Amino acid sequence: GAVVSQHPSWVICKSGTSVKIECRSLDFQATTMFWYRQFPKQSLMLMATSNEGSKATYEQGVEKDKFLINHASLTLSTLTVTSAHPEDSSFYICSAISGFYQETQYFGPGTRLLVL
Amino acid sequence: AQKITQTQPGMFVQEKEAVTLDCTYDTSDPSYGLFWYKQPSSGEMIFLIYQGSYDQQNATEGRYSLNFQKARKSANLVISASQLGDSAMYFCAMREGGRASGTYKYIFGTGTRLKVLA
Repeated sequence: GAVVSQHPSWVICKSGTSVKIECRSLDFQATTMFWYRQFPKQSLMLMATSNEGSKATYEQGVEKDKFLINHASLTLSTLTVTSAHPEDSSFYICSAISGFYQETQYFGPGTRLLVL
Repeated sequence: AQKITQTQPGMFVQEKEAVTLDCTYDTSDPSYGLFWYKQPSSGEMIFLIYQGSYDQQNATEGRYSLNFQKARKSANLVISASQLGDSAMYFCAMREGGRASGTYKYIFGTGTRLKVLA
């Protein structure tokens, strides 16, 4: 149990376009999901906390108009990178909390974004 | 100040031997959770083991065990009988808050890269 999927796994786009990344909890309901960004050889950087049915809470320095987060259901959260630029190229990874499993974060497989 | 500290940026271990990855934490919250994750080169974060702050016994999951020293605020991961497939980045993490408070804060360490030698 506690499987999280993330789609797409890879995306290459042109500068100025928007990219949507989906995060789904497949076998449990997740009232809270998290979005992280990871640069090469570094730890995870929390971008925002996404709560079902309410606005996301963004970490300091993360532009909420740039990184739109929607958590419309208990099993789906989406991150949209709007007007992407090369500096947005990164590895984006989502996670969901399973309250049943000791409030453990279970992670999706991640999305590698390359903006040309 | 760092809330989660992993002092070993890299470690080597011979196949079939045991290895300990260090993790110290800092929190004033009496209720917290400690986690270890493995991140292979593919990038996915794989949950390995969990230790609750009130747990009396050290957590174990197969070849993984967590050496929880509450007074010293350490939560070291022990991998027994290392395998080549254990080569990866390992992250220690702490959860503050939880269901009771309704807020969750997870903090990650900087990671330790483990290389298992044949």
